[in-house]
Amino acid sequence: ETGVTQTPRHLVMGMTNKKSLKCEQHLGHNAMYWYKQSAKKPLELMFVYSLEERVENNSVPSRFSPECPNSSHLFLHLHTLQPEDSALYLCASSQDHGGDEQFFGPGTRLTVL
Amino acid sequence: GNSVTQMEGPVTLSEEAFLTINCTYTATGYPSLFWYVQYPGEGLQLLLKATKADDKGSNKGFEATYRKETTSFHLEKGSVQVSDSAVYFCALNSGYSTLTFGKGTMLLVSP
Repeated sequence: ETGVTQTPRHLVMGMTNKKSLKCEQHLGHNAMYWYKQSAKKPLELMFVYSLEERVENNSVPSRFSPECPNSSHLFLHLHTLQPEDSALYLCASSQDHGGDEQFFGPGTRLTVL
Repeated sequence: GNSVTQMEGPVTLSEEAFLTINCTYTATGYPSLFWYVQYPGEGLQLLLKATKADDKGSNKGFEATYRKETTSFHLEKGSVQVSDSAVYFCALNSGYSTLTFGKGTMLLVSP
């Protein structure tokens, strides 16, 4: 595998479910990011990790819980989501936090029923 | 703070037409500027970038010039193809924070 991979690619869940999104980067980067992309809205940065430490948390509801166990893996744990949380969730990485080029994964299309 | 403004879409063109997608920005310091492209069902990919004033980024026939005096970074292509249909995002990085993206402009190219 090369680049940034995300699993699953599609996820449908009920509001009471608990699920996790996974991201893995094979680029040797030190920073990883979660973004939310909703229809007709700008890309929203959710979380930033640098060297496995969270450095940014942009007012994201607590029903989204990130985890970065090492510099290659990033998770987004989901629980008691709302229908308005349905979106494409994109993971990205860059060499360092604040580094100019980010590499994106293909995204997980999440539908909350 | 930093911000990026892109023209609203969708932009609809016939194959081989000339493309311009406007992008202007406000930023502190001297930002790097980027165009990302998102094809249907995929994540964003870096299309081109420019790191200082008057630099021209280019890739796959697309070009954009970093204009500090007009704070602009317009994307152009001389002859678009159906395969260029995608959403294009202008973005900046001022070096002190993560990327700031515009809202994206959808391009639809018909045969």
